[in-house]
Amino acid sequence: NAGVTQTPKFRVLKTGQSMTLLCAQDMNHEYMYWYRQDPGMGLRLIHYSVGEGTTAKGEVPDGYNVSRLKKQNFLLGLESAAPSQTSVYFCASSYSTYTGELFFGEGSRLTVL
Amino acid sequence: QQPVQSPQAVILREGEDAVINCSSSKALYSVHWYRQKHGEAPVFLMILLKGGEQKGHDKISASFNEKKQQSSLYLTASQLSYSGTYFCGTEAQGGSEKLVFGKGTKLTVNP
Repeated sequence: NAGVTQTPKFRVLKTGQSMTLLCAQDMNHEYMYWYRQDPGMGLRLIHYSVGEGTTAKGEVPDGYNVSRLKKQNFLLGLESAAPSQTSVYFCASSYSTYTGELFFGEGSRLTVL
Repeated sequence: QQPVQSPQAVILREGEDAVINCSSSKALYSVHWYRQKHGEAPVFLMILLKGGEQKGHDKISASFNEKKQQSSLYLTASQLSYSGTYFCGTEAQGGSEKLVFGKGTKLTVNP
């Protein structure tokens, strides 16, 4: 039982390059989230999805795009990476925000040079 | 808008108690508490729903004051394993369906 799996776990990009982070969950959860974590800033919500085919903006969506074509997958894209996007990215999923805990992936460390 | 956590950091000796507070400017439906150890993902501790309930988890408990939009996490007789950063996550009333986290409180428990 894998839970929430993020790939890749580490990546170094040059400014202006693009990349996609993949989050996959095997718990049949409806809700999925992408957070970024920076020192002293806590976990900040980038985008989230309340079901297959739906996405919504979080607190810090600029510079990111997402897609949820399949219920089990939630993709986070950076079209033109900037040094300010250097961060640790966490994906999470839950059955429901009202009563369900968030299950987090192990994180993806992204460095933009 | 991120909930505000206090204190930012606390250092304890094993066996001492601590309280971590979380407050929001918005009317809340639920408050979540998570603990994150260095280099790891956050791990769920508990959820408190609108209604002012109090929950317990071993020697860790929490309360939710709906009128003040505040929650407190109580760590009793702290153990070395309690060390880590604690985050509260809040969901506003009105069906926002998103969980917004505070900046965290770093707890260090020393022998």
